[in-house]
Amino acid sequence: AQTVTQSQPEMSVQEAETVTLSCTYDTSESDYYLFWYKQPPSRQMILVIRQEAYKQQNATENRFSVNFQKAAKSFSLKISDSQLGDAAMYFCAYKGQGAQKLVFGQGTRLTINP
Amino acid sequence: DAMVIQNPRYQVTQFGKPVTLSCSQTLNHNVMYWYQQKSSQAPKLLFHYYDKDFNNEADTPDNFQSRRPNTSFCFLDIRSPGLGDAAMYLCATAWGQNQPQHFGDGTRLSIL
Repeated sequence: AQTVTQSQPEMSVQEAETVTLSCTYDTSESDYYLFWYKQPPSRQMILVIRQEAYKQQNATENRFSVNFQKAAKSFSLKISDSQLGDAAMYFCAYKGQGAQKLVFGQGTRLTINP
Repeated sequence: DAMVIQNPRYQVTQFGKPVTLSCSQTLNHNVMYWYQQKSSQAPKLLFHYYDKDFNNEADTPDNFQSRRPNTSFCFLDIRSPGLGDAAMYLCATAWGQNQPQHFGDGTRLSIL
């Protein structure tokens, strides 16, 4: 069974600085998808970024980028120029090719200090 | 514009009293999911519908049932809620197997 591990329960960063959230996963599959979701307090979970395992290029969405290391099974999220609105719980998630189920990590709570 | 709508946002029920949570979507997605999320934990998949096909997770208690009368609506029924069922319940939708899931705001269920 696939597992996703986020080793940082909590992180904090100064506004305007850069922070990296870690995620590792375990799978025997070669084709799969990886996601980072953001869940602000009492608000909707939204997709931040998505990576297809067959793509070598790291996904980027504005201030959010990933460092995808397939061999190491690592998928970290970098947030540049952190803003107060980035404060949230961040979940790393895995989905196998053809599977319906998302496997979530335990989450990292990110605090942005003004 | 809300695309995955969960009602109500907050639900209080009594121990053992059946409760139904609802989810509707305007995305015309063919897959709908129900997750349970307890405080400071990751969402846990309860079951999902792929079109009309119902898929139950092996560890989902029998107390939890679901109905999907049409593409747009999906319901979560808890037949006899216990104190341990107090949680946030998230509905999500997706188009097919390889597209990202879109989540609703969730329903926070409290058990008295």
